Amino acid sequence: GQNIDQPTEMTATEGAIVQINCTYQTSGFNGLFWYQQHAGEAPTFLSYNVLDGLEEKGRFSSFLSRSKGYSYLLLKELQMKDSASYLCAVRDSNYQLIWGAGTKLIIKP
Amino acid sequence: IAGITQAPTSQILAAGRRMTLRCTQDMRHNAMYWYRQDLGLGLRLIHYSNTAGTTGKGEVPDGYSVSRANTDDFPLTLASAVPSQTSVYFCASATGEGNSAEAFFGQGTRLTVV
Repeated sequence: GQNIDQPTEMTATEGAIVQINCTYQTSGFNGLFWYQQHAGEAPTFLSYNVLDGLEEKGRFSSFLSRSKGYSYLLLKELQMKDSASYLCAVRDSNYQLIWGAGTKLIIKP
Repeated sequence: IAGITQAPTSQILAAGRRMTLRCTQDMRHNAMYWYRQDLGLGLRLIHYSNTAGTTGKGEVPDGYSVSRANTDDFPLTLASAVPSQTSVYFCASATGEGNSAEAFFGQGTRLTVV
């Protein structure tokens, strides 16, 4: 079966750095996405990785290792507004998105 | 309309009733999706449509049906609602072109079946 694993919840301090991990086992791989979802709102796109390595976009970076079935989202200079759930999703061989349950990130002052 | 819009935003529905959740996008995206999101679970695909006139079943299609008469609209129908269909429903769309095509989500419909 297909599976995406992420930690359920993480806590970090304002101004710090946090890394959210995602491991996946899917039938085929056509890219990995990270989305942010604030409570009661829709998910919004953060990043896309299809090749191994690091993609940097401002305070957020995303890393992919296809051989390990592993990705992480790195958030720097954390702000209170970063408190949200972060969803990892993989596009499989049928071009469908398989979603993890999400990681709830709590930022403390 | 800007982006993707769902209606209603919330609904309380008696078990056994029929209901249609509406979804409209103005981005001319080919692909559209319906997901349900339940606490502790990832987004689960109910039905999808890669282009107008075609639909397909996702991971959890039972009890739901969809139609795609045109590019913009993708309604989801619950023929006879049951309490296990209590969930938050998200409609999404994507260009359908290329692996990097991101999905854009509507604001969600919170449905409670009692």
